[in-house]
Amino acid sequence: NAGVTQTPKFQVLKTGQSMTLQCAQDMNHNSMYWYRQDPGMGLRLIYYSASEGTTDKGEVPNGYNVSRLNKREFSLRLESAAPSQTSVYFCASSEEGGNQPQHFGDGTRLSIL
Amino acid sequence: SQKIEQNSEALNIQEGKTATLTCNYTNYSPAYLQWYRQDPGRGPVFLLLIRENEKEKRKERLKVTFDTTLKQSLFHITASQPADSATYLCALDGAGGFKTIFGAGTRLFVKA
Repeated sequence: NAGVTQTPKFQVLKTGQSMTLQCAQDMNHNSMYWYRQDPGMGLRLIYYSASEGTTDKGEVPNGYNVSRLNKREFSLRLESAAPSQTSVYFCASSEEGGNQPQHFGDGTRLSIL
Repeated sequence: SQKIEQNSEALNIQEGKTATLTCNYTNYSPAYLQWYRQDPGRGPVFLLLIRENEKEKRKERLKVTFDTTLKQSLFHITASQPADSATYLCALDGAGGFKTIFGAGTRLFVKA
């Protein structure tokens, strides 16, 4: 039982390049989330998907797009990477309904030069 | 704006003692409060959830209190062990919401 799997684990991009971060969960959860974590700051919500077929903006959505491909998979895309998007990105999932404990992957460490 | 404050200074304690971590919040009336543990290079792991109408919750050596008047939660680890060394994150949720707000965390070091 893998839980939440994120790929890749590490990536270095040049400014202006595009990239898609992948996330898959095997817990049959309805809700999925993307966060970024920067030094000295709490996790900040980028986008979430309350259930398959829906996505909504979080606190810091600018510069990102998401796709809920199916119940298992939720991807995050950077169309034109900027140095300010250097961060650690975490995907999480939870049972439906909000206010549920979230299960996190181990993150993608992304550096943009 | 909504704000969560956790002590940014690391907490150092001796093995066997009780560790107490604090989470304060402003401009928010959360319905739920959660605590997570995060180890270096890993994602957060859920520990406990407490609702606004609950004063205290326990799980094994862990205890969480939630005071909506003081706008504060305390997280206690009794009989602490070196394996408890990690960063502990506080997180708040509104009722029925998906937009969880996380604090920056407090680093705990337990010395043998």
